[in-house]
Amino acid sequence: SSELTQDPAVSVALGQTVRITCQGDSLRNYFASWYQQKPGQAPILVIYGKNNRPSGIPDRLSGSSSGDTASLTITGAQAEDEADYYCYSRDNRGNHRVFGGGTKLTVL
Amino acid sequence: QLQLQESGPGLVKPSETLSLTCTVSGGSISSSGFYWGWIRQPPGKGLEWIGHIYYSGSTYYSPSLESRVTVSVDTSKNQFSLKLSSVTAADTAVYYCARRSVTNLWIEYFDYWGQGILVTVSS
Repeated sequence: SSELTQDPAVSVALGQTVRITCQGDSLRNYFASWYQQKPGQAPILVIYGKNNRPSGIPDRLSGSSSGDTASLTITGAQAEDEADYYCYSRDNRGNHRVFGGGTKLTVL
Repeated sequence: QLQLQESGPGLVKPSETLSLTCTVSGGSISSSGFYWGWIRQPPGKGLEWIGHIYYSGSTYYSPSLESRVTVSVDTSKNQFSLKLSSVTAADTAVYYCARRSVTNLWIEYFDYWGQGILVTVSS
């Protein structure tokens, strides 16, 4: 079982705001990074660190963290944001890493 | 622009060893500060971290796969490789190679990914 827990599915109305969460003890010590994956494609990095976006990622995607929970927020969701989202972090067992189970985002 | 490309057999028999190579172009695998990793995704399921390697040869593996996994690097070819032994149908997955960047002790991420290669374990 994953040590980073995500809700399996979340939905949002077009143009509204949605938060995708990732919970795990290691997130008290390490930042999560977030990946977007569309069907048949490789994942792409969308958020890393406190709230950093790689070049080309729209600023409607943002990250935050509090205690043992990291969050990815999409403000004004667009149809193209419909995808699976995964968090990733180092775990507390030392040099191991882990992905969350993923959240399927549906834009209605 | 850095690019990664996985290669290897798409079909492996049960109990045999899966072998994949990732070729890095547009940058050096020996660049300081970057690790090179393998991630897999069974059909219809989530991502699973397999392990990663530094150009010096330091490796880190998932505890659930550690007994069967070997990741190696060939700096002369700008490649790194994955070997997974004693495979079963449960090892059927898309295998991705990726570059792991580190900002500091608390921030790391995979910023470049290969397109992935589907490996099916079947007789």
